[in-house]
Amino acid sequence: DGGITQSPKYLFRKEGQNVTLSCEQNLNHDAMYWYRQDPGQGLRLIYYSQIVNDFQKGDIAEGYSVSREKKESFPLTVTSAQKNPTAFYLCAIKSNEKLFFGSGTQLSVL
Amino acid sequence: AQSVTQPDIHITVSEGASLELRCNYSYGATPYLFWYVQSPGQGLQLLLKYFSGDTLVQGIKGFEAEFKRSQSSFNLRKPSVHWSDAAEYFCAVGGQAAGNKLTFGGGTRVLVKP
Repeated sequence: DGGITQSPKYLFRKEGQNVTLSCEQNLNHDAMYWYRQDPGQGLRLIYYSQIVNDFQKGDIAEGYSVSREKKESFPLTVTSAQKNPTAFYLCAIKSNEKLFFGSGTQLSVL
Repeated sequence: AQSVTQPDIHITVSEGASLELRCNYSYGATPYLFWYVQSPGQGLQLLLKYFSGDTLVQGIKGFEAEFKRSQSSFNLRKPSVHWSDAAEYFCAVGGQAAGNKLTFGGGTRVLVKP
């Protein structure tokens, strides 16, 4: 969806390093989500936020952190505690009970 | 807990032939059901959704899906496949009882033979 921007498209992490994935939206929606995608496993929910300054853990939150200081932005930090971070990360917004996704960020470990 | 099963990991179909992708779900209340499509390295695009009402729903790109409560299924169909339909397809379930969370199946990759 053109109103959801994820950056960068590709990201490389060194061992022990924290990295932050950006998700920005100009659609004025309250609810935002982060999913992780691994081959053959579909999408798994990491964190979600239904309103500014509030967020909840999803099914696989360990090793990740988020913030929601602005309605437009929901960045995801992959910390050094996440031992298997290589995956495709997708950000989404919710509108009328439907999710609309950004184009994703591929994170790989050097 | 809610869950989605897509029994077929890969499906190969000839161009012009019909396509059916299976989806079975588990959900403790009235489900909201979705089908998404993903091209390689891209985000997911919503094909269609079921919230209530008519159990046969029409979506974009000529796809349709039928909700069968008795079978806990929401299979996706297309009468005649085009080469551009080659992609990965995901079924998802959610609803008001799920606290605004969607659960996705593992996906079915569709290959289209000329």
